Amino acid sequence: DTAVSQTPKYLVTQMGNDKSIKCEQNLGHDTMYWYKQDSKKFLKIMFSYNNKELIINETVPNRFSPKSPDKAHLNLHINSLELGDSAVYFCASSGRLASSYEQYFGPGTRLTVT
Amino acid sequence: SQQGEEDPQALSIQEGENATMNCSYKTSINNLQWYRQNSGRGLVHLILIRSNEREKHSGRLRVTLDTSKKSSSLLITASRAADTASYFCATVNMNRDDKIIFGKGTRLHILP
Repeated sequence: DTAVSQTPKYLVTQMGNDKSIKCEQNLGHDTMYWYKQDSKKFLKIMFSYNNKELIINETVPNRFSPKSPDKAHLNLHINSLELGDSAVYFCASSGRLASSYEQYFGPGTRLTVT
Repeated sequence: SQQGEEDPQALSIQEGENATMNCSYKTSINNLQWYRQNSGRGLVHLILIRSNEREKHSGRLRVTLDTSKKSSSLLITASRAADTASYFCATVNMNRDDKIIFGKGTRLHILP
């Protein structure tokens, strides 16, 4: 069974559209994350949730809104997509806080905005 | 701001040789982690070393941490073709929230 799964794997859409990426983990972890990896492979944290509660919200445009219906799911909704949003988005989870525990990453969602 | 900085940015070695990658950081840390990313895949955790540890081993991996120099190294011994990947260090600051900061990575290519 896949530990951390994301859907879709690829997403191609036009500027101005709204799209969602879903993430699920079956590891029983309390904490989930969204990361953005740009074309230069730089990986930057966007959001972190612990038991459905937002604990990290980096400087991310308001067009990005995470939603955690339960601690096994963390979805990412993006409004009014822009060209600069093109990147690979990774979901991750950890047992407790990242300060002490390794993170498990999903396979990534490659978003292309045209 | 960028915390971990890996060095070199890219490294090509012959299969069987040892590969060494370095990571430098700027602030006091709780721990430092190394991850591997194969092309088109998510990151995979390799090893975590705490701030009070100096060296850690896992199979063919050896990680060192020098908190006085704010640096860490990852050594992969007897490299294999399957080790071709990007390697990232990640740090968690002391007295900060749960934010883990990744470096820009070292791209390792093992030549047959």
